[in-house]
Amino acid sequence: NAGVTQTPKFRVLKTGQSMTLLCAQDMNHEYMYWYRQDPGMGLRLIHYSVGEGTTAKGEVPDGYNVSRLKKQNFLLGLESAAPSQTSVYFCASSWTGANTGELFFGEGSRLTVL
Amino acid sequence: QQQVKQSPQSLIVQKGGISIINCAYENTAFDYFPWYQQFPGKGPALLIAIRPDVSEKKEGRFTISFNKSAKQFSLHIMDSQPGDSATYFCAASWNDYKLSFGAGTTVTVRA
Repeated sequence: NAGVTQTPKFRVLKTGQSMTLLCAQDMNHEYMYWYRQDPGMGLRLIHYSVGEGTTAKGEVPDGYNVSRLKKQNFLLGLESAAPSQTSVYFCASSWTGANTGELFFGEGSRLTVL
Repeated sequence: QQQVKQSPQSLIVQKGGISIINCAYENTAFDYFPWYQQFPGKGPALLIAIRPDVSEKKEGRFTISFNKSAKQFSLHIMDSQPGDSATYFCAASWNDYKLSFGAGTTVTVRA
């Protein structure tokens, strides 16, 4: 049972390049989230999904897009990377909402934008 | 601005000592307060959680104390062990999609 798997784990981009982070969960969870973690700022919600085919903005959505075409996958895209997007990105999933149950996190994807 | 303020940023404790991490919030709509533990190179994992109708919750060596009137809650790690060395995040939520995290506290337990 893999839980939440993120790929890639590390990536270096140049400013203006694009990329997609993939999150896959095998727990049949309805809710999926993308967070970014920066020193001294905790985790901030970028986008989230409450079910297959749905997406919504979190607190820091600018510069990112997401898609949830399949229930088990949640993709995070950067269309034109900027140095401010250098961060560690975490995907999470949960069976119920954030105020009722546990979020299961992946191991993170470290992105550096030069 | 962060909706949950966490302190201290870091702390060092001797093996067997007590680690205390404090969090404060303003949004009275918050109704769920979890703590997450994160080891280097790993994602956060749920440690313990509390709701505001309870003033204290204990699971093993970990205890959450909750003060609704002061809008504060804290994590106590009793008999701290080197394996407890990690970063701890408090969090708060009031709806089904948004979990607001504190900035995190790095705990180092010296043997």
